[in-house]
Amino acid sequence: EDKVVQSPLSLVVHEGDTVTLNCSYEVTNFRSLLWYKQEKKAPTFLFMLTSSGIEKKSGRLSSILDKKELFSILNITATQTGDSAIYLCAVDNYGQNFVFGPGTRLSVLP
Amino acid sequence: DGGITQSPKYLFRKEGQNVTLSCEQNLNHDAMYWYRQDPGQGLRLIYYSQIVNDFQKGDIAEGYSVSREKKESFPLTVTSAQKNPTAFYLCASTVSGVGAEAFFGQGTRLTVV
Repeated sequence: EDKVVQSPLSLVVHEGDTVTLNCSYEVTNFRSLLWYKQEKKAPTFLFMLTSSGIEKKSGRLSSILDKKELFSILNITATQTGDSAIYLCAVDNYGQNFVFGPGTRLSVLP
Repeated sequence: DGGITQSPKYLFRKEGQNVTLSCEQNLNHDAMYWYRQDPGQGLRLIYYSQIVNDFQKGDIAEGYSVSREKKESFPLTVTSAQKNPTAFYLCASTVSGVGAEAFFGQGTRLTVV
């Protein structure tokens, strides 16, 4: 059974801290790994990773994939209160569907 | 503007009632999905459809039904057989076959009263 695991499930930090969110997966047919941010309702897309070792960056957020060890990390530097959200990791198992992890709930305190 | 529209945003259902959640997209996407999200949990797949007039059960299909008569529309019916339907329901769509991100609607929060 395809599975995606995220850790930690919950994290509380103060503004300015750097956080690392983890995502590991076991799927039979891997095409890509995706990160989403969910604040209130619709998850919004952050990154799609398909190749190992290539870092994707967007502002203070960055992510990298290790296809050998089957995991990805999402880094957020200089966190702000607006980063408070649930961060979802999902794996595209070659178009059948997206398998989601449980999410990491990040709370950034002022 | 292209996107996915879910309606209603909030829905209250009495015990024993069937209710239908609407999902419409104008992105010309082939694939559409329904997910359920419970507090503290990730998204669990209910049904998905890769093409019109075809759909597949996901991990938690029991008590739900769908149809895909048009490319743009993928309604979800929560039947009385679903024992614990109170949850947040998300519809998503994506381009088929090329490996792309899923786009999500704003969700429907269903509460049984």
